[in-house]
Amino acid sequence: EADIYQTPRYLVIGTGKKITLECSQTMGHDKMYWYQQDPGMELHLIHYSYGVNSTEKGDLSSESTVSRIRTEHFPLTLESARPSHTSQYLCASSSPQGAGEKLFFGSGTQLSVL
Amino acid sequence: GENVEQHPSTLSVQEGDSAVIKCTYSDSASNYFPWYKQELGKGPQLIIDIRSNVGEKKDQRIAVTLNKTAKHFSLHITETQPEDSAVYFCAASKGGSYIPTFGRGTSLIVHP
Repeated sequence: EADIYQTPRYLVIGTGKKITLECSQTMGHDKMYWYQQDPGMELHLIHYSYGVNSTEKGDLSSESTVSRIRTEHFPLTLESARPSHTSQYLCASSSPQGAGEKLFFGSGTQLSVL
Repeated sequence: GENVEQHPSTLSVQEGDSAVIKCTYSDSASNYFPWYKQELGKGPQLIIDIRSNVGEKKDQRIAVTLNKTAKHFSLHITETQPEDSAVYFCAASKGGSYIPTFGRGTSLIVHP
């Protein structure tokens, strides 16, 4: 059973608010990821980290920022939320499998910006 | 970079039928191919994976096949049940500092 947690599960906020989506894992994984999932299912990588003090932008341009001060914690922040940010956000961490990465996902945060 | 194509985007079957989802990849250096299942309201969860040195792997009702020459791999679900209804993602990766690339997902609907 994966030990990766996301809070909150659901969030409804007004435009212009600053929000932070929390993600924590207890597996000691170095790599962590944030995906944005649209209603059409596709997973869009928006941020990832190779370890403490490492953050990289993903394939999909995002106005969010991330930090990685501790191995187990990878929060995502939106300084000023807009309706276009409404989406499902999934956090994951990965365990190297020799030749590849096995990802463990959290249950997601469904964000609605009014 | 790697490009993973997944088909079909939607698959509807009757309970007891078989279901097949296919993926192709572009980078011949990719060598690890996992499949994830995402149930409603949850994050994707790994259900089966295969490495490039193996052609087929089976786990009860699910199996994955890999054709390295053609650069495609498939998920096979036999004797489908309503609880198999979910979104399935394939992925390809090659380890090291590379980030896994996901397919666009397949919504499988199993009708009782």
